[in-house]
Amino acid sequence: RKEVEQDPGPFNVPEGATVAFNCTYSNSASQSFFWYRQDCRKEPKLLMSVYSSGNEDGRFTAQLNRASQYISLLIRDSKLSDSATYLCVVKGAAGNKLTFGGGTRVLVKP
Amino acid sequence: EAQVTQNPRYLITVTGKKLTVTCSQNMNHEYMSWYRQDPGLGLRQIYYSMNVEVTDKGDVPEGYKVSRKEKRNFPLILESPSPNQTSLYFCASRLRTGYNEQFFGPGTRLTVL
Repeated sequence: RKEVEQDPGPFNVPEGATVAFNCTYSNSASQSFFWYRQDCRKEPKLLMSVYSSGNEDGRFTAQLNRASQYISLLIRDSKLSDSATYLCVVKGAAGNKLTFGGGTRVLVKP
Repeated sequence: EAQVTQNPRYLITVTGKKLTVTCSQNMNHEYMSWYRQDPGLGLRQIYYSMNVEVTDKGDVPEGYKVSRKEKRNFPLILESPSPNQTSLYFCASRLRTGYNEQFFGPGTRLTVL
């Protein structure tokens, strides 16, 4: 089993719609969680951290479910510019290593 | 501008010909690392460095070497490249080990024939 697993997609989303997807992680001792965004074959960039109580940044909402060991990302009112691959990232118990999921591809269409 | 730079951005080479991919950051970050990204496998860490003269293996270190003689530079060396090292490579840095946000370079697309 992979340490961090994501549905690769693609999620085809009409412009203005809401899309949500999850990421599961295997190590229950994982400390911190993040979503990174990667545009086609460009470098990943931090989108948002994921806090235990859930957090929101504009149209993006991230949630953490430690009991079931998954995090989620919800995008409201999708824009064409939201088309990208979203990488789930988990920081290990040692606080050093970041483990990346394979990414979920989102395509927002007019 | 705060950034991580990599060179070259694109490289086509042949099996066995030694090459070096340079990485430099201007943010005075202590922690630097190298990743490779392959379809279906995501980003996998090759090597990392917690500070000058401190390096350690990541998940896929075989066939690679690194050095950290200066804080800003972290070159990746392929002594004898093979076709299975064809990949997209990213250098990354963050302020220090426990710090969260990691900044990536623009990537180096390497093809080994």
